[in-house]
Amino acid sequence: GAGVSQSPRYKVAKRGQDVALRCDPISGHVSLFWYQQALGQGPEFLTYFQNEAQLDKSGLPSDRFFAERPEGSVSTLKIQRTQQEDSAVYLCASSSQVGGGQPQHFGDGTRLSIL
Amino acid sequence: RKEVEQDPGPFNVPEGATVAFNCTYSNSASQSFFWYRQDCRKEPKLLMSVYSSGNEDGRFTAQLNRASQYISLLIRDSKLSDSATYLCVVNTNAGKSTFGDGTTLTVKP
Repeated sequence: GAGVSQSPRYKVAKRGQDVALRCDPISGHVSLFWYQQALGQGPEFLTYFQNEAQLDKSGLPSDRFFAERPEGSVSTLKIQRTQQEDSAVYLCASSSQVGGGQPQHFGDGTRLSIL
Repeated sequence: RKEVEQDPGPFNVPEGATVAFNCTYSNSASQSFFWYRQDCRKEPKLLMSVYSSGNEDGRFTAQLNRASQYISLLIRDSKLSDSATYLCVVNTNAGKSTFGDGTTLTVKP
């Protein structure tokens, strides 16, 4: 379809492994956001891209988290040396305009479990 | 204290009831406001934007009070299908979005 696509849907990794989560935004959307959602809580902002520029990464919880969007379309969120507290749903969203004035369209998320 | 606060509920109401949710935010630089709904184990989906003048979409009415930094959502004539978690979202112009933890609604027959 034409929505935001995330892969994988589920990821199980052992503590200490590196993982990479992919997001394909809606075609032409300039803004891309990553969120982390723990059970029973709302999504927590991680980072924001405007095209290929990462304008805000204030929500990344540690230097183990790294996001990129090199060509201004697909984005990857990488988590190095995973810890159990990284277990969560990682949501990607995109928006057609810059800034926060327009609503965001979310992907289905990647459910990450760290053993 | 969280930047966006919502009563977690749960709200358990019978079909046909009217229910109201409230949300308060602390960042006075906030510029855009939205309500999303999230079904269990699904992604958030936009319900409606919230405008200063208030806005209505069918059975749903949203209000914004900038002076009090307060947002509300009113649902009239509740349906079983309205059962979900309702998330209040506050954005700055710089692009950062802050979500509340959501209010859970269960509509019962």
